[in-house]
Amino acid sequence: EAGVAQSPRYKIIEKRQSVAFWCNPISGHATLYWYQQILGQGPKLLIQFQNNGVVDDSQLPKDRFSAERLKGVDSTLKIQPAKLEDSAVYLCASSSYGGRAEAFFGQGTRLTVV
Amino acid sequence: EDQVTQSPEALRLQEGESSSLNCSYTVSGLRGLFWYRQDPGKGPEFLFTLYSAGEEKEKERLKATLTKKESFLHITAPKPEDSATYLCAVQAAGNMLTFGGGTRLMVKP
Repeated sequence: EAGVAQSPRYKIIEKRQSVAFWCNPISGHATLYWYQQILGQGPKLLIQFQNNGVVDDSQLPKDRFSAERLKGVDSTLKIQPAKLEDSAVYLCASSSYGGRAEAFFGQGTRLTVV
Repeated sequence: EDQVTQSPEALRLQEGESSSLNCSYTVSGLRGLFWYRQDPGKGPEFLFTLYSAGEEKEKERLKATLTKKESFLHITAPKPEDSATYLCAVQAAGNMLTFGGGTRLMVKP
């Protein structure tokens, strides 16, 4: 079974530029999560989708971050404009819907804002 | 608001020296508690799910236990390859998954 795919693996941008990350979840998984992990800290939830609807985005800085999940499959996370403090690893995870399903993570995208 | 606190933040063990990692939590309506392992430069890797107090799960040198307020990850006779960051997460209503800060484990040969 293929895992969660993310791209790119690494990205370096200047502050005030924009950047986008892509995630392809495990086939059939209805729930998709985007997490931000700053070095030395645990993952922090940015947004959670159930199919193509948003379940929770309370910690998403909506003035600069946006995310979408078209057709309930792939998802993109965008930052515009980026700030220095956005430097982190952005992790995508997916799980099956209903019950108590564990989430499976991709390798992440390491973003450096200079 | 769901909260997860892990201790210690870092732990250094000699090979073969058993120990425990702690995860204390505050959540409304716990649906499950998850343990993950994360190696440098990689995404978290799923280890265990615990659903109710008193439940235990084992995998090789790892054993996870759950009470109503905390979970422990016991590591018996660890090896250098067990060195990693161990993350605890709680799942509440709506499948929301909240993580703790992690414990960085280093096992020296």
